[in-house]
Amino acid sequence: DGGITQSPKYLFRKEGQNVTLSCEQNLNHDAMYWYRQDPGQGLRLIYYSQIVNDFQKGDIAEGYSVSREKKESFPLTVTSAQKNPTAFYLCATMPQGHGYNEQFFGPGTRLTVL
Amino acid sequence: AQSVTQPDIHITVSEGASLELRCNYSYGATPYLFWYVQSPGQGLQLLLKYFSGDTLVQGIKGFEAEFKRSQSSFNLRKPSVHWSDAAEYFCAVTANAGKSTFGDGTTLTVKP
Repeated sequence: DGGITQSPKYLFRKEGQNVTLSCEQNLNHDAMYWYRQDPGQGLRLIYYSQIVNDFQKGDIAEGYSVSREKKESFPLTVTSAQKNPTAFYLCATMPQGHGYNEQFFGPGTRLTVL
Repeated sequence: AQSVTQPDIHITVSEGASLELRCNYSYGATPYLFWYVQSPGQGLQLLLKYFSGDTLVQGIKGFEAEFKRSQSSFNLRKPSVHWSDAAEYFCAVTANAGKSTFGDGTTLTVKP
């Protein structure tokens, strides 16, 4: 069954802790993306990767880090440097990093800082 | 830099009525334009996309959108709304490198 898996669905973090959000795909897509969604603000790009072992900062990368060691996986770490991490996080993939391709989205992870 | 504006934050329509959601974009070259739909607490699903050719594109669930270069618009339409269409709708423009910019979304409420 092809698709994108994000885990966990809900995540609670204490202030000062780092947490890692998982994103796994078996669509064989080259490009992967992380977005943050806040109410009324749409989706904002955190990081993206077009090939393995390479990634670029998006519009709001401060306080986040990523890795792309495997084609299937693109984990996002929310560090303690991120001042307001409570949000809904979406992972997406694209067959190749070309503009005419649509993005495929995972179900999301809701992160809450306690 | 590319940008997308969805002027309507919230729209309410009666079931069976027609719908138009507005989207204006700013992009220096030929845009790749998309409409996505999101149900609460879920990921986004593609409704339709435009990248060349016929300016009127058909999508899933009976939606269509018209690309108007002169107005920098890509409005989404549906002739008759169903209660299941209630959701949040996002317009997006994507650059050649696959980097997308999304609008802030329009929430659709459907009255019985």
